[in-house]
Amino acid sequence: AAGVIQSPRHLIKEKRETATLKCYPIPRHDTVYWYQQGPGQDPQFLISFYEKMQSDKGSIPDRFSAQQFSDYHSELNMSSLELGDSALYFCASSFGGKLAKNIQYFGAGTRLSVL
Amino acid sequence: QKEVEQNSGPLSVPEGAIASLNCTYSDRGSQSFFWYRQYSGKSPELIMSIYSNGDKEDGRFTAQLNKASQYVSLLIRDSQPSDSATYLCAVNSGSGGYNKLIFGAGTRLAVHP
Repeated sequence: AAGVIQSPRHLIKEKRETATLKCYPIPRHDTVYWYQQGPGQDPQFLISFYEKMQSDKGSIPDRFSAQQFSDYHSELNMSSLELGDSALYFCASSFGGKLAKNIQYFGAGTRLSVL
Repeated sequence: QKEVEQNSGPLSVPEGAIASLNCTYSDRGSQSFFWYRQYSGKSPELIMSIYSNGDKEDGRFTAQLNKASQYVSLLIRDSQPSDSATYLCAVNSGSGGYNKLIFGAGTRLAVHP
């Protein structure tokens, strides 16, 4: 079965550079979520999109922005990168929008290293 | 206080034993509860979902939910070394809408031969 696809898998950037992470949800899934997981920490919710509209926002820095496109893929744009942005970034997708029983499936993640 | 609390472990059990992982949550409005398994450097993998009070069994895994006590647990029977991982308890945000997940800090399980 098709899974959530994230690219790139690894990314190395310098401080103050920009980065773009991409996420392709499972086919027919209408909701995309972004999570950040620092070393030894649990995943922290950043932002989500349902049917191409932002549906919820968590602890996402103002330097970050995201959107969901017409084909449902999503991109997380990160600017003015800081050392503390080094983390695993996961994308998850689910089907059903507002239904509380949505099950989220995670992609393999993008490991971002800021030097 | 974190919204979702777990014992960080490590929880060490011998191969073949039952591993018991526990989780408490603070938001009484939460409706959906999940257990994810995460190997180091990998993505969270869904193990179990549970929505109603009581037990739910799937193979060697049993999830238990007690909404009155705001408590969720995961039992792993016949533990195998391959079960060694961090187990994340996740709760839907409970505020309706598109249910972001709130994760606990995870319990590290070590199954030794």
